[in-house]
Amino acid sequence: DVQLVESGGGLVQPGRSLRLSCTASGFTFGDYAINWVRQAPGKGLELVGFIRSKAYSGATEYVASVKGRFTISRDDSKSIAYLQMNSLVTEDTAVYYCARGDTYCGGDCYLDYWGQGTLVTVSS
Amino acid sequence: SYELIQAPSVSVSPGQTASITCSGDKLGNKYTSWYQQRPGQSPVLVIFQDTKRPSGIPERFSGSNSGNTATLTISGTQAMDEADYSCQAWDGRKVVFGGGTKLTVV
Repeated sequence: DVQLVESGGGLVQPGRSLRLSCTASGFTFGDYAINWVRQAPGKGLELVGFIRSKAYSGATEYVASVKGRFTISRDDSKSIAYLQMNSLVTEDTAVYYCARGDTYCGGDCYLDYWGQGTLVTVSS
Repeated sequence: SYELIQAPSVSVSPGQTASITCSGDKLGNKYTSWYQQRPGQSPVLVIFQDTKRPSGIPERFSGSNSGNTATLTISGTQAMDEADYSCQAWDGRKVVFGGGTKLTVV
């Protein structure tokens, strides 16, 4: 069975850093793009960014509000994707999900499997 | 940036048909997907590429997309369908989501 498990969330002070992990199983991890999606309390889904498969150079894209602060990477040998979050602000407080896209994740991209999410709380 | 607009809430009686819409500029020229999210749970894909159902999704879920509007239709709505539903499309560089619609079955 396809499974995605996020970890690394917690309480962090503004300005500090946190790294989230997304550990995958049940499929050939390297063949798929991985998206990070967040959901602030009581709000809708927001894409944070994604990383394409190595077949497409592992290219990344980010939403404007996190560009320059967040970095997505992947280790296909371990079937893990990472979300490095620096210079955190209170507005980054949310549940963070990783979700699988297809290998390229372009115009027909959809997210067919999601993890259970990990809560990040940015507060002093 | 590309925006997808959804009504905040929709109500439906059990057994009736629920229609949840998603609006965006020339959305009919893009593929739309839909996600169901029950309280405290992760999103689940219910429709992809406008009209396709993943395996395990009941046939009562269907989708359409034309002009500026995509529609998720739930026929014979059941109490277990009460959830938030979010649409998703591609803005040219990344996926974007609508704000979500809370479906209440009353």
